Amino acid sequence: SQTIHQWPATLVQPVGSPLSLECTVEGTSNPNLYWYRQAAGRGLQLLFYSVGIGQISSEVPQNLSASRPQDRQFILSSKKLLLSDSGFYLCAWRLTGSNIQYFGAGTRLSVL
Amino acid sequence: EDQVTQSPEALRLQEGESSSLNCSYTVSGLRGLFWYRQDPGKGPEFLFTLYSAGEEKEKERLKATLTKKESFLHITAPKPEDSATYLCAVDGDGTASKLTFGTGTRLQVTL
Repeated sequence: SQTIHQWPATLVQPVGSPLSLECTVEGTSNPNLYWYRQAAGRGLQLLFYSVGIGQISSEVPQNLSASRPQDRQFILSSKKLLLSDSGFYLCAWRLTGSNIQYFGAGTRLSVL
Repeated sequence: EDQVTQSPEALRLQEGESSSLNCSYTVSGLRGLFWYRQDPGKGPEFLFTLYSAGEEKEKERLKATLTKKESFLHITAPKPEDSATYLCAVDGDGTASKLTFGTGTRLQVTL
């Protein structure tokens, strides 16, 4: 069966520091991968998605970037965090041919 | 642009008191409507996918229905363990399946 891992679960970072969040999927190949952000009282906002290695589409202009160095690895990064980057970050995957997305446990990021 | 509106924002029920959650949507071409359950501090858990008006799906005390403009999540005789935030999302983009989410309904079931 397929599983998705996200880490860390919680992160507290100072303003201006770099960021790297990692997501990996096990038990499948060539998944479509997604990064979402969930702010308090707001719906999930799609940040990036990837249909293959090195292929990244950005949905929202922002201080963040994403990379997919391996088939089942998706990384969310920032060179300098802003206060507004605080939130709950979720990684999701889906199989090609299905439009059901399955989510990881999320990373709670607090930028202080 | 796809839009999803969920109501009510919050709902408090007593155990055994049935009710429904609403999800209204606007999408140019619906390729799927999704219901997820999210517990505090956790990622959303997939519940149902509905693809066409008139379709219904059931899981334990939950039943999801779909019309051309909205979906309902019916909760029959809820238990305290059904307490969670229920999220609705639509896929109006077939290629990449980019989901548009509503803000959710926070359900609390008390004894």
